[in-house]
Amino acid sequence: DVKVTQSSRYLVKRTGEKVFLECVQDMDHENMFWYRQDPGLGLRLIYFSYDVKMKEKGDIPEGYSVSREKKERFSLILESASTNQTSMYLCASSTSGWNTEAFFGQGTRLTVV
Amino acid sequence: GQQLNQSPQSMFIQEGEDVSMNCTSSSIFNTWLWYKQDPGEGPVLLIALYKAGELTSNGRLTAQFGITRKDSFLNISASIPSDVGIYFCAGPQPTLNSNSGYALNFGKGTSLLVTP
Repeated sequence: DVKVTQSSRYLVKRTGEKVFLECVQDMDHENMFWYRQDPGLGLRLIYFSYDVKMKEKGDIPEGYSVSREKKERFSLILESASTNQTSMYLCASSTSGWNTEAFFGQGTRLTVV
Repeated sequence: GQQLNQSPQSMFIQEGEDVSMNCTSSSIFNTWLWYKQDPGEGPVLLIALYKAGELTSNGRLTAQFGITRKDSFLNISASIPSDVGIYFCAGPQPTLNSNSGYALNFGKGTSLLVTP
């Protein structure tokens, strides 16, 4: 089975802190994604990586950056956390190509106070 | 990304009832995916559809890829309490790098509550 693991289930951070959310997948997938989920808004794509050190902005990249130094690991960085970044963050991975079944981690619920 | 309109937004039903939800888009998709998210967990893939007109079942779940390629529906028969959760439709949205594949664009979800 594909396994996507996010480093934390719950995080509480202070406004202005630099926050790292880590994600690891064990299926040698080329693509990795970070989504944000808010009530009534569904899942919105923050960033996408299709290879080591390669990335593309999604629909809501402002206030976030990402890092992919190894194929299995994709990090989401909040440079200076703000209260409007309180949300559920979901990491996913998939193979390349048009067959795009994505597999998700369990999610990280981040609260910024 | 391309907008996916999912309806209904929420459903409150009794155990044993059948459920139907759908997803529409203004753009053509070549893949439709249906996910379920249990409370506090990440979404899990239920059914994947790759061909217009395709009808696929997974246990009590049945999903169809619309002929126009702009819609899909998901049916759940004889609902049980563990069907509670949020159901999402998703379709691929092209990325800037055509060799990298696609990111998934999601509907806003249908929240299902089932009472015993």
